[in-house]
Amino acid sequence: DIQMTQSPSTLSASVGDRVTITCRASQSISSWLAWYQQKPGKAPKLLIYKASTLESGVPSRFSGSGSGTEFTLTISSLQPDDFATYYCQQYNSLWTFGQGTKVAIK
Amino acid sequence: EVQLVESGGGLVQPGGSLRLSCAASGFTFSTYEMNWVRQAPGKGLEWVSYISSSGSTIHYADSVRGRLTISRDNAKNSLYLQMNSLRADDTAVYYCARAQLQTFDYWGQGTLVTVSS
Repeated sequence: DIQMTQSPSTLSASVGDRVTITCRASQSISSWLAWYQQKPGKAPKLLIYKASTLESGVPSRFSGSGSGTEFTLTISSLQPDDFATYYCQQYNSLWTFGQGTKVAIK
Repeated sequence: EVQLVESGGGLVQPGGSLRLSCAASGFTFSTYEMNWVRQAPGKGLEWVSYISSSGSTIHYADSVRGRLTISRDNAKNSLYLQMNSLRADDTAVYYCARAQLQTFDYWGQGTLVTVSS
């Protein structure tokens, strides 16, 4: 099974900050990686797929990069609506989520 | 507008059974692969099961194989999850999710399953 590890688990940031979340796979997954945003009490929302392709309607301040085993999600300028938990997901072999990264207000 | 609406959750005793449903609308259900994903209280997301558009291909997470059964009725635009031999660690919000290019582009609001005596 492919394991996904995100870091950090929690980060505190301010509006306007540049934020980067890392996701590592236990084996190569090529570019078969997605990122989701989840707010409390709500279903997850797809942000990015194939490591770097922005889902329709997602603001351009979100970007993804990486391939193989190391990936990053970057929010270029954090907005109030972005405080949430973010999950990476591999879909190279079935599906596995990372444990999540909570982005909190500093 | 794409909509996925789960139902069937509730309180069940350990060892009991429950059947979840997911009603789909706003898209051609029969052409999409579907999944169930769960989230234990205060925890992260866990993929549970996948079914192909025709129902001919099915996958399960190791944690549920042999106890949970996914199915679909394309004539009724519905996805199901039959849950048997339930355990306390099956307690979670269960989401149905549409698959597009292997990622999950639409999710329902979730239904809570609580396994407790």
